[in-house]
Amino acid sequence: AQKVTQAQTEISVVEKEDVTLDCVYETRDTTYYLFWYKQPPSGELVFLIRRNSFDEQNEISGRYSWNFQKSTSSFNFTITASQVVDSAVYFCALSETGRRALTFGSGTRLQVQP
Amino acid sequence: NAGVTQTPKFRVLKTGQSMTLLCAQDMNHEYMYWYRQDPGMGLRLIHYSVGEGTTAKGEVPDGYNVSRLKKQNFLLGLESAAPSQTSVYFCASSSAHPNTEAFFGQGTRLTVV
Repeated sequence: AQKVTQAQTEISVVEKEDVTLDCVYETRDTTYYLFWYKQPPSGELVFLIRRNSFDEQNEISGRYSWNFQKSTSSFNFTITASQVVDSAVYFCALSETGRRALTFGSGTRLQVQP
Repeated sequence: NAGVTQTPKFRVLKTGQSMTLLCAQDMNHEYMYWYRQDPGMGLRLIHYSVGEGTTAKGEVPDGYNVSRLKKQNFLLGLESAAPSQTSVYFCASSSAHPNTEAFFGQGTRLTVV
């Protein structure tokens, strides 16, 4: 079973629309960390956010917000008023104590049309 | 600020050839990783290192070897390249695990023909 599932393979929106990228994870650890990375067309991976399992407060950073819900094992990412520059592949990742590296989901490609 | 630097950025190999990908980080990080990225599969861990002189297998280690002789460098070797190893390879480093983010290099696009 996949430890990190990003069921949305590709999403296309028109500029200024809001969009939510879903991430569902699976772990037996009580302490773990969740991450989101952005991969723009240029190819590099850019860190966006880290969240630990004990902090379920939602976080907002400008047009970006994250909703962490342990009850549903989800860590969803919302972009408000999307812009063309938001076009990228977005990866959700899980970090567990028992595994020495990040486990990535398969990614969601977001296309924002002008 | 260099961060994580991968060499080369692009390479085309013939089946059976060998090559080494070099990763260098200047952040004094203990942990280093090699991932491969294939369409629809996200990033999969090939090998990793938790410190100088140590290496360990990840999720997809077959056909690859690694070495970490110096803390700042992590080398990925392909002894006999196969078309299935056509991929984009990313090196990453982190100061600790599991509670810190990993910093990634710009990637190496490898094509095996």
